[in-house]
Amino acid sequence: AQRVTQPEKLLSVFKGAPVELKCNYSYSGSPELFWYVQYSRQRLQLLLRHISRESIKGFTADLNKGETSFHLKKPFAQEEDSAMYYCALSGEDDKIIFGKGTRLHILP
Amino acid sequence: KAGVTQTPRYLIKTRGQQVTLSCSPISGHRSVSWYQQTPGQGLQFLFEYFSETQRNKGNFPGRFSGRQFSNSRSEMNVSTLELGDSALYLCASREGGSSYEQYFGPGTRLTVT
Repeated sequence: AQRVTQPEKLLSVFKGAPVELKCNYSYSGSPELFWYVQYSRQRLQLLLRHISRESIKGFTADLNKGETSFHLKKPFAQEEDSAMYYCALSGEDDKIIFGKGTRLHILP
Repeated sequence: KAGVTQTPRYLIKTRGQQVTLSCSPISGHRSVSWYQQTPGQGLQFLFEYFSETQRNKGNFPGRFSGRQFSNSRSEMNVSTLELGDSALYLCASREGGSSYEQYFGPGTRLTVT
């Protein structure tokens, strides 16, 4: 069965400090992994996907198949990064499953 | 292109009633997925429709059902409402096939009293 675990409900980080949002997954095949973000009063939107290996708004995420993780990282947090972040997985049936989300709060 | 739209945006129902929510996907998108969002459980997958057929289904009781029309618009129905059904219901569309980027609507806030 597909499962996505985000162990932290809330993460508070000072502005300028590094950010790491954790995501672990369970899937027997080859998954596609994503990070979605929801800013206050905005719609949920795609932030990045592992297959594109790109950096969006300074965020990167590396798929570690050995540790079944897809942690989201940013070297220097900015106040506008405060949002709800969801890790998501898509398996061979194309079903997209989300984790419970982590609220990132950037402290001034 | 216009984004995903959902109607109504807010709804208040009483226990035992039924409700129908509507979702209009982005033009050209053939896949529509529905999610239930609550503070405690996050986003839980309900089902996905592709070209009028249910392609995937989550672990929700049979009271939750959906359908998709030939113009890709989708409806979700919940019968015999329970207090625990109070949530934000999100719909998301994508082009279909193996196109993974989903575009989300604003959601319908359902309150069951």
